[in-house]
Amino acid sequence: AQSVTQLDSHVSVSEGTPVLLRCNYSSSYSPSLFWYVQHPNKGLQLLLKYTSAATLVKGINGFEAEFKKSETSFHLTKPSAHMSDAAEYFCVVSVYGNKLVFGAGTILRVKS
Amino acid sequence: DTGVSQNPRHKITKRGQNVTFRCDPISEHNRLYWYRQTLGQGPEFLTYFQNEAQLEKSRLLSDRFSAERPKGSFSTLEIQRTEQGDSAMYLCASSLGSTGGLAGVQNTGELFFGEGSRLTVL
Repeated sequence: AQSVTQLDSHVSVSEGTPVLLRCNYSSSYSPSLFWYVQHPNKGLQLLLKYTSAATLVKGINGFEAEFKKSETSFHLTKPSAHMSDAAEYFCVVSVYGNKLVFGAGTILRVKS
Repeated sequence: DTGVSQNPRHKITKRGQNVTFRCDPISEHNRLYWYRQTLGQGPEFLTYFQNEAQLEKSRLLSDRFSAERPKGSFSTLEIQRTEQGDSAMYLCASSLGSTGGLAGVQNTGELFFGEGSRLTVL
């Protein structure tokens, strides 16, 4: 079965420092993977998606993720955190192209 | 605003009552999804529609839950005889699925989510 595991429930960084949110996936075939972000009282928003093209995927707001098949990972990174990045982030895998399975989420805190 | 719209945004009800949530998807989207999110967890899939056809239902969707999309546009999710364990955020999403030959209908991947309907059962 397709699933994702987010390795950290909370991550805290200082403004201007790099962000790393970790995600490992499990899939019996080549997966489609996504990162979604959820700000308080806002709907989930797609940050980026990997669909078997380039392994390094660039998303909105300076975020990017690298698909590493050998490590079954899809970690989300950003070179420099901004206060507005504080939110909950979900790593997501697509199941047979018909539905999305979400990880448990990582809450990112950005300190000034 | 042309995004996914859900209402009511908040609903407080007593145990045993019935509640209904409505979702209006993005108008040109043919797929509509319902998810449930509880505190500290990621959204969990409940069901989805391709136009008016309900194509998949999760085992999470007990007999007390029913979802409809009668004209392939808006959808309703009804919970009968609510229980305290039903307290959660109910999320609706829509997408533009594409037809993929012998493989059938395939999703292009991106789901557009509404802001959710929060249910509190007392």
